[in-house]
Amino acid sequence: QKEVEQDPGPLSVPEGAIVSLNCTYSNSAFQYFMWYRQYSRKGPELLMYTYSSGNKEDGRFTAQVDKSSKYISLFIRDSQPSDSATYLCAMSRPGNEKLTFGTGTRLTIIP
Amino acid sequence: EPEVTQTPSHQVTQMGQEVILRCVPISNHLYFYWYRQILGQKVEFLVSFYNNEISEKSEIFDDQFSVERPDGSNFTLKIRSTKLEDSAMYFCASSGQEVQQYFGPGTRLTVT
Repeated sequence: QKEVEQDPGPLSVPEGAIVSLNCTYSNSAFQYFMWYRQYSRKGPELLMYTYSSGNKEDGRFTAQVDKSSKYISLFIRDSQPSDSATYLCAMSRPGNEKLTFGTGTRLTIIP
Repeated sequence: EPEVTQTPSHQVTQMGQEVILRCVPISNHLYFYWYRQILGQKVEFLVSFYNNEISEKSEIFDDQFSVERPDGSNFTLKIRSTKLEDSAMYFCASSGQEVQQYFGPGTRLTVT
């Protein structure tokens, strides 16, 4: 079983829709969870960071962590064409700086 | 807003040659990282560096690779005797006391 699994998509939704992106993981030691956005041939850009379980909201973005299910989500409200990118989940353990990434979900917002 | 920078943006080299990829982390950050992403694959951790020494390295980071912080601002990744399979995007990242890592734009390495 892979440490971090993420549906690669591609995922296409109409502008204005709510987008739900998800990752599952197998290592219960992960405590720090991040979502990155990556445009084609660019570096990952940090969007959201969450520690342990719970929700975090930042503008149109909401990150959720359910440690009991080993499942994390990123919701994008009022999606815009500029949100079209690949979204990467990443996670790490306390005392270990290494980030373990999912494969990324390629998202297209259709105007 | 401070950002991580990397040079060059694209490096083409012949198999067997040595390359040095350069990074300038965010100025007050203390932890530095290299990751790579082979085309179409996920981002993979290579090495982390703190207090002028390697703190962790992956199985990928063998004797072919080395890192250095030659001065107070630069952080370099050297790849000796490059192989075709070293072709990838190489990302530098840095972090401060917090966990979040900030990535540079990457160097695309093409080995021919």
